[in-house]
Amino acid sequence: EVQLVESGGGLVQPGGSLRLSCAASGFTFSSYDMHWVRQATGKGLEWVSGIGTAGDTYYPGSVKGRFTISRENAKNSLYLQMNSLRAEDTAVYYCATPLGYWGQGTLVTVSS
Amino acid sequence: QLVLTQSPSASASLGASVKLTCTLSSGHTSYAIAWLQQQPEKGPRYLMKLNSDGSHSKGDGIPDRFSGSSSGAERYLTISSLQSEDEADYYCQAWGTAWVFGGGTTLTVL
Repeated sequence: EVQLVESGGGLVQPGGSLRLSCAASGFTFSSYDMHWVRQATGKGLEWVSGIGTAGDTYYPGSVKGRFTISRENAKNSLYLQMNSLRAEDTAVYYCATPLGYWGQGTLVTVSS
Repeated sequence: QLVLTQSPSASASLGASVKLTCTLSSGHTSYAIAWLQQQPEKGPRYLMKLNSDGSHSKGDGIPDRFSGSSSGAERYLTISSLQSEDEADYYCQAWGTAWVFGGGTTLTVL
């Protein structure tokens, strides 16, 4: 059974940092691109970052230069390092695969 | 730049059928998309991958009531025999190095 379990969310002040993790199981993690997607309360889905099997990374303009996606295939884990956080980064963050599997999400709240 | 357009809302009666639409922007009409369902207070659930020729492959455990079809730039999700648990937000999604989402359609089952 495929499982994606996010962790690391919480309350952080504006300008602060947070590192999210996603533990994957049930599939060959190293063979697939992985992505982070977020959803603010009452809003739609927004793509945050992606990483290819070769470690190539991709970001939208809204987070480029502030967020860093990485992966550790030996640990079947995906990470999202978020720096210089803003109030508008407040959302539930999901990890997901092109296979169609999604985690349950972890809430990030940026507030003073 | 690929843009996916969805109507904000739709409604249909219990037991009836409904057809939701996702429109791909000009120059991207051959793209495959995915349909996702998000029930209240839950994470997204993958329903199916839908190709430009209308062929589709559903995710694990997705009932036969859910089907997809395509016509030009339009990608459709049809839900038949509507049940109360089908009341949810439905998103279309396109993949690539970047992922693109439609704005979502909120389906109300009357």
